[in-house]
Amino acid sequence: GQNIDQPTEMTATEGAIVQINCTYQTSGFNGLFWYQQHAGEAPTFLSYNVLDGLEEKGRFSSFLSRSKGYSYLLLKELQMKDSASYLCAALDSNYQLIWGAGTKLIIKP
Amino acid sequence: GAVVSQHPSWVICKSGTSVKIECRSLDFQATTMFWYRQFPKQSLMLMATSNEGSKATYEQGVEKDKFLINHASLTLSTLTVTSAHPEDSSFYICSARDREGSPLHFGNGTRLTVT
Repeated sequence: GQNIDQPTEMTATEGAIVQINCTYQTSGFNGLFWYQQHAGEAPTFLSYNVLDGLEEKGRFSSFLSRSKGYSYLLLKELQMKDSASYLCAALDSNYQLIWGAGTKLIIKP
Repeated sequence: GAVVSQHPSWVICKSGTSVKIECRSLDFQATTMFWYRQFPKQSLMLMATSNEGSKATYEQGVEKDKFLINHASLTLSTLTVTSAHPEDSSFYICSARDREGSPLHFGNGTRLTVT
């Protein structure tokens, strides 16, 4: 079956760095997305990786290893507003998105 | 960037009535739109995939006669919750993309409360 695994919850300190891991098993692969979702709001797009390696976008970076079925989202210089759920989603061979359950990130002062 | 507008943001209705939710892509043509439901503290649950000009594809366990989806144009899809019941109370979110493999862009969601 198809499956996405990511930690349920993580806690980090304001100003620090946090890495949120995601492993996936899908029928075929056409890329991996990361979304941010604040409580009570819809998800917003953060990143898309289809090739191996690191994609940097400001304070956020996303990494992909297709051979390992693994991705991570790296958040630097954490701010209180980064407290949210982070959703990992993989695109399978039929271009269907397989969603992880999300990682709730708690930022402490 | 791509914008998806969803309306209404919240709605309260009485049990047994129907509610229509609209999802519009404002600056791109959405060949495919997706409807999700999300209960508190749970992940997104895909309800159906809607392709312009064709019938929606519903996920297993989603009643197509209860959740009517219409994708009449490349910029508009609607979800109608018919004969709503309190257990239908949830956060409904639409998303759209212009082609396969492109990122999904989400509407702001509709919080439905059925009393």
